[in-house]
Amino acid sequence: DVKVTQSSRYLVKRTGEKVFLECVQDMDHENMFWYRQDPGLGLRLIYFSYDVKMKEKGDIPEGYSVSREKKERFSLILESASTNQTSMYLCASNSFTPMNTEAFFGQGTRLTVV
Amino acid sequence: AQKVTQAQTEISVVEKEDVTLDCVYETRDTTYYLFWYKQPPSGELVFLIRRNSFDEQNEISGRYSWNFQKSTSSFNFTITASQVVDSAVYFCALLLTGTASKLTFGTGTRLQVTL
Repeated sequence: DVKVTQSSRYLVKRTGEKVFLECVQDMDHENMFWYRQDPGLGLRLIYFSYDVKMKEKGDIPEGYSVSREKKERFSLILESASTNQTSMYLCASNSFTPMNTEAFFGQGTRLTVV
Repeated sequence: AQKVTQAQTEISVVEKEDVTLDCVYETRDTTYYLFWYKQPPSGELVFLIRRNSFDEQNEISGRYSWNFQKSTSSFNFTITASQVVDSAVYFCALLLTGTASKLTFGTGTRLQVTL
């Protein structure tokens, strides 16, 4: 079974802190994605990566950065957390292979910034 | 640019009713994939189906069926004889082919099935 694991289920951080959200996948997928999910707004793409050290901005990259030093790991970084970054964060991965393009998701990290 | 629209924010039905969830997508590409995901109250997104742009054949899986129409850029999802366990948020998504392809989701439709 494909497994995408996010390091924390719940996090509480203070305004201004630097926050790291980690995601690991075990299926050798090329692509990895970070989304945030907010009520009424669906899943919005923050950043994605299609290879080690390669990254692309999604639709809402402001206030975030990412790191992909190894194929299986994709980190989301909040440089200086703010209250408007309180949200559910979802990591996903998928493959380029035509018959395996569906994305698999982690369990999510609910981040609260106080 | 690519976009997915799920105009129905919330739908309530009584158990055993049929229900259709709408999905309309926009892309200039001719090759792409469409997906439906289910997010039950537990929160984890569950993959339901993948369709590629060359395959307009409709699909049925038990009580679930999907109607893909390129002419109207729609990929609708029907649940027949709905059950309480179908209560969830359902998301439609679009993926273009090639390297550096975004996976774009709609805003989701919350389905509430009551007794």
